[in-house]
Amino acid sequence: NAGVTQTPKFQVLKTGQSMTLQCAQDMNHNSMYWYRQDPGMGLRLIYYSASEGTTDKGEVPNGYNVSRLNKREFSLRLESAAPSQTSVYFCASRPTSGNNQPQHFGDGTRLSIL
Amino acid sequence: DAKTTQPPSMDCAEGRAANLPCNHSTISGNEYVYWYRQIHSQGPQYIIHGLKNNETNEMASLIITEDRKSSTLILPHATLRDTAVYYCIVRVRGGGNKLTFGTGTQLKVEL
Repeated sequence: NAGVTQTPKFQVLKTGQSMTLQCAQDMNHNSMYWYRQDPGMGLRLIYYSASEGTTDKGEVPNGYNVSRLNKREFSLRLESAAPSQTSVYFCASRPTSGNNQPQHFGDGTRLSIL
Repeated sequence: DAKTTQPPSMDCAEGRAANLPCNHSTISGNEYVYWYRQIHSQGPQYIIHGLKNNETNEMASLIITEDRKSSTLILPHATLRDTAVYYCIVRVRGGGNKLTFGTGTQLKVEL
């Protein structure tokens, strides 16, 4: 049981390039989330998907787009990468059977924009 | 979501109990208290959560005061592998069940 899988684990981009970060979960969870974490800070929510077919903005959505491809997969796209988007990106998922269920996180994608 | 306040750092001797405090004085009646930890930039790991009763699982215990304005996470026998940043989060039911992370407490377990 892999849980939440993120690919790639590391990536270096040049300013202006585009990239899609992939996230998949095998726990049959309904809700999925994308966070970013900058050095010395807690995680900040970028976008989330409460269920298949829906997406909503979080705290820091500018410069990003998301796609909830199916129940398992939730991707994050940078259309034109900027150095300010250098960060560690975490994907999470949670079931919605019971509103107090915790989120489960992947191991992150470390992204550097030059 | 209610704001939480945690000490920036704490030390604990290996084998002793680690007691991590969290203040959430503006918590409302339907808000749960969650604890996560993050070991060396890995993904956050869920530890425990509660509403108003004390909770215990295989990892830790959560003690919530009667007025719910503060809580304490207890790791009963801390090991070196418990060195991590611990986040206390208060979350409202519904609204996407989003988590708002602060900067947490850096717990260092030493020999």
